[in-house]
Amino acid sequence: NAGVTQTPKFQVLKTGQSMTLQCAQDMNHNSMYWYRQDPGMGLRLIYYSASEGTTDKGEVPNGYNVSRLNKREFSLRLESAAPSQTSVYFCASSRDRVGNEQFFGPGTRLTVL
Amino acid sequence: DAKTTQPPSMDCAEGRAANLPCNHSTISGNEYVYWYRQIHSQGPQYIIHGLKNNETNEMASLIITEDRKSSTLILPHATLRDTAVYYCIVSGVDTGKLIFGQGTTLQVKP
Repeated sequence: NAGVTQTPKFQVLKTGQSMTLQCAQDMNHNSMYWYRQDPGMGLRLIYYSASEGTTDKGEVPNGYNVSRLNKREFSLRLESAAPSQTSVYFCASSRDRVGNEQFFGPGTRLTVL
Repeated sequence: DAKTTQPPSMDCAEGRAANLPCNHSTISGNEYVYWYRQIHSQGPQYIIHGLKNNETNEMASLIITEDRKSSTLILPHATLRDTAVYYCIVSGVDTGKLIFGQGTTLQVKP
């Protein structure tokens, strides 16, 4: 039981490049989330998916797109990366929205030059 | 969602209880208090949550004042491994949205 896994662990991009961050969970959770964490700051919600087939914007959605591919997988896409998107990205999942106990992945450290 | 106020940092001696305060004076009746922690650069870890009654689990205890305007997370016997940033979050039970502030950096010292 791996919990929440994220790939890649590290990534360096040039401004304007695109990439997709992958997240998967094996806990049969309904809800999944993407956060970013800038140095010395708390996490900020980018997008979330309350259930398979639905996605909603969080606090900071601009510059990102998401896909809830199936119940297990939730991907985050940067279409045209900018230096302001340099951050650590965390994926999380929860059984459902009730209770808000979220389980987090290890993070992807992204640098945009 | 109501905002929270936490001290930026605290120290605690190993083996002693760590008491981490949180103010949430604008909390509304259907909002819960959640605590998470983040060790070094790992993903946050859920600790405990409560509505108005005190709660205890294997990791910690949560004491919520009667007026619900503040709470305290208690780690009964802090170890060096408890050194982390602790986040107090207030959220509606069905929103799925956690608003992380800057938290309290707890340093447990030998």
